[in-house]
Amino acid sequence: AQTVTQSQPEMSVQEAETVTLSCTYDTSENNYYLFWYKQPPSRQMILVIRQEAYKQQNATENRFSVNFQKAAKSFSLKISDSQLGDTAMYFCAFMKQPPNGYGQNFVFGPGTRLSVLP
Amino acid sequence: GAVVSQHPSRVICKSGTSVKIECRSLDFQATTMFWYRQFPKQSLMLMATSNEGSKATYEQGVEKDKFLINHASLTLSTLTVTSAHPEDSSFYICSAGLTGRASGYTFGSGTRLTVV
Repeated sequence: AQTVTQSQPEMSVQEAETVTLSCTYDTSENNYYLFWYKQPPSRQMILVIRQEAYKQQNATENRFSVNFQKAAKSFSLKISDSQLGDTAMYFCAFMKQPPNGYGQNFVFGPGTRLSVLP
Repeated sequence: GAVVSQHPSRVICKSGTSVKIECRSLDFQATTMFWYRQFPKQSLMLMATSNEGSKATYEQGVEKDKFLINHASLTLSTLTVTSAHPEDSSFYICSAGLTGRASGYTFGSGTRLTVV
């Protein structure tokens, strides 16, 4: 079974500063996806960034980037130039690569509550 | 992109009644749908996997007779909470089982269930 750990229950950062959220996972799979989701008070799950395990290059999406260390099973999220709208719950998630084209479920970490301070 | 529509967004029901939650895939066919539950200040936990045309599979500890799942078509999966009790109050969210680059964009907007 896969497990996802986020060791920082809460974090805060000043507006315009940079913050890094940690995530580690445990799996025996070789092919999988990793995700970071943002959940604002509306509780809608918003995809922040996605990484395929077979790709060595770290994914980036505008102000968001990851540091993917496959051997260490680590997948941290860096938010640059933090904005007030980044305040939310952030979940790290794991998904096995589908073996036959069918989707797989997510395994979520416990989440990190991020507050961006003005 | 893949759009999953979930209704209702909020529902309040009396203890002992049943509530149905729907998830529809609007622009694609979803052979598989996953149902998650999220208690306040907690993470999302997988409840069950819904497969079109077959019985759902439930995670350990989830009562299949209380949480009835029906996936009768490739565009609709429903979760019925039967004989609801206050402890069933939670946020329920569905996710379609897509692959490839679409795999991250598959969540419904969620249903906040309050049982009084």
